[in-house]
Amino acid sequence: GAGVSQSPSNKVTEKGKDVELRCDPISGHTALYWYRQSLGQGLEFLIYFQGNSAPDKSGLPSDRFSAERTGGSVSTLTIQRTQQEDSAVYLCASRRDRNTEAFFGQGTRLTVV
Amino acid sequence: QKEVEQNSGPLSVPEGAIASLNCTYSDRGSQSFFWYRQYSGKSPELIMFIYSNGDKEDGRFTAQLNKASQYVSLLIRDSQPSDSATYLCAVQSGGSYIPTFGRGTSLIVHP
Repeated sequence: GAGVSQSPSNKVTEKGKDVELRCDPISGHTALYWYRQSLGQGLEFLIYFQGNSAPDKSGLPSDRFSAERTGGSVSTLTIQRTQQEDSAVYLCASRRDRNTEAFFGQGTRLTVV
Repeated sequence: QKEVEQNSGPLSVPEGAIASLNCTYSDRGSQSFFWYRQYSGKSPELIMFIYSNGDKEDGRFTAQLNKASQYVSLLIRDSQPSDSATYLCAVQSGGSYIPTFGRGTSLIVHP
């Protein structure tokens, strides 16, 4: 595709529910990242996928968070038993390879009520 | 812990002036440096990247890298009100493939 696509753009969920956020990277990009950004804060790294290698999960804040990337393309970030502190904008980025510039999707704004 | 520091601002400059945005980083092994612009409510968009010491110019933007002093800066010449945004610095170490972002500097260009 022309750019990184994320869906949904907005998600409101009740505390305790599970949510799935989707990212469709730029075609041919082997590296994919998930970050989150809370109001007025910087970007917090969550997880990194590179090709078919095992992902770097070092940024996931708790075991309620998980992500997968199927076929080296689309990625899904899942948050189980959502909490209010999970409210943030979740940003996905992709890169052609691990040393080139990263391009961001428009983000998913998650609100846990 | 790899840290990337930016003054949160806001940095206020008049239209037509040069805006200077600075970023320092803690990891001496850092090799790749990126500047992103983020408008309110939008996602970050890449402005420039730099890998080598010295200056890199692209239109009104100049990135300056000094690895010995561990800082990277972004100069915006002839600042315009449309440049008003938050500017994020991102740094990537040689042994890592994960860019670490600073919290960003808010820039306000007033007419």
